[in-house]
Amino acid sequence: DAGVIQSPRHEVTEMGQEVTLRCKPISGHNSLFWYRQTMMRGLELLIYFNNNVPIDDSGMPEDRFSAKMPNASFSTLKIQPSEPRDSAVYFCASSMVGNLNTEAFFGQGTRLTVV
Amino acid sequence: GNSVTQMEGPVTLSEEAFLTINCTYTATGYPSLFWYVQYPGEGLQLLLKATKADDKGSNKGFEATYRKETTSFHLEKGSVQVSDSAVYFCAPLSYNTDKLIFGTGTRLQVFP
Repeated sequence: DAGVIQSPRHEVTEMGQEVTLRCKPISGHNSLFWYRQTMMRGLELLIYFNNNVPIDDSGMPEDRFSAKMPNASFSTLKIQPSEPRDSAVYFCASSMVGNLNTEAFFGQGTRLTVV
Repeated sequence: GNSVTQMEGPVTLSEEAFLTINCTYTATGYPSLFWYVQYPGEGLQLLLKATKADDKGSNKGFEATYRKETTSFHLEKGSVQVSDSAVYFCAPLSYNTDKLIFGTGTRLQVFP
């Protein structure tokens, strides 16, 4: 397996524009996580899905952020409208939850810059 | 919910020095404990783990022991290398939460 695949690797956009980040989890994994990493806040969990269903979105900062998982092999994180304070690295991770030995596998991240 | 406290970084060491990065946690139930490492420009990857009290996880010369009585999982390495320079994250995982919460991370810088 190629691991967790995120696209794009880098995104530069203007304030007010819509941004869509994409993630393909590892085949067979039943959970998917979206994290945001900044120098100020560290690594924050935004939302996680189990069997394509959103389980906990308490980390989503505000209504401008939304996430979907239409099937087991694809998820999106959308920001509309984007703001400069959304600039960060966004990571997607997948795992086989339900087993405490489980390991989460991370993608390489999308570096978002909103100008 | 789960939470983690890690020592502030950066930790700056010379090559071959001894490393300790402290981690204490609060968690519901009986969590498994993980250390992840993030090299520059990359995502996190699992370094080691322990699933029950007194277990020792080890990998690449790093070790950490699950201390239930002190709710700690300190990371150690006897002799660090320049290639160990990275950010290290401690994380507990509880069965009833299923979500991996990370500490703030500790940046390690090793100089030749």
